[in-house]
Amino acid sequence: GDSVTQMEGPVTLSEEAFLTINCTYTATGYPSLFWYVQYPGEGLQLLLKATKADDKGSNKGFEATYRKETTSFHLEKGSVQVSDSAVYFCALLKTSYDKVIFGPGTSLSVIP
Amino acid sequence: DAGVTQSPTHLIKTRGQQVTLRCSPKSGHDTVSWYQQALGQGPQFIFQYYEEEERQRGNFPDRFSGHQFPNYSSELNVNALLLGDSALYLCASSLQASQKGTDTQYFGPGTRLTVL
Repeated sequence: GDSVTQMEGPVTLSEEAFLTINCTYTATGYPSLFWYVQYPGEGLQLLLKATKADDKGSNKGFEATYRKETTSFHLEKGSVQVSDSAVYFCALLKTSYDKVIFGPGTSLSVIP
Repeated sequence: DAGVTQSPTHLIKTRGQQVTLRCSPKSGHDTVSWYQQALGQGPQFIFQYYEEEERQRGNFPDRFSGHQFPNYSSELNVNALLLGDSALYLCASSLQASQKGTDTQYFGPGTRLTVL
């Protein structure tokens, strides 16, 4: 079945460090891909998305490129801040009447 | 533009009780999906409602049921609560569309249910 795999956490970085969180997926067809972020004690917020191969999603300094050849959607940010500390979920969605399939989440802690 | 709203924020129940959680979708959205997120895990799909009908269901028992109203808002009901039902319940809304990319699901803040 369809699935999402992402790197195990927790990840701890110093402020202004470079961030990469790896995500790969398995799915038939051409899913849309997403990164959601969950801050402590809150719900999920959409961070960015890409709907077709080679699309780049970006928001708040975060970027991810839809790579169909490697079935990947890695999240990157050039300089993290303490306020980026959260859990990041990679996810896929195939159709509008489908369920979102989430990865297990990667916890990020950024220390000053 | 109001986003997805959920009520209540927190809820404490005891085993065997019943609970109802509520969700109002983002303005203009017509589809509501419910997810359960246990502590430290990713959200798991419960079911989806469109045109007041349950269209798809995840691997959850019949104790979990729902409803969608004509104004697209939705309720999640859980009967005979178990300790294992303690979780964050997330509602997501989206718009039915044939055009790819317009089906993004937007999530509410969640309802934290604790079963004692």
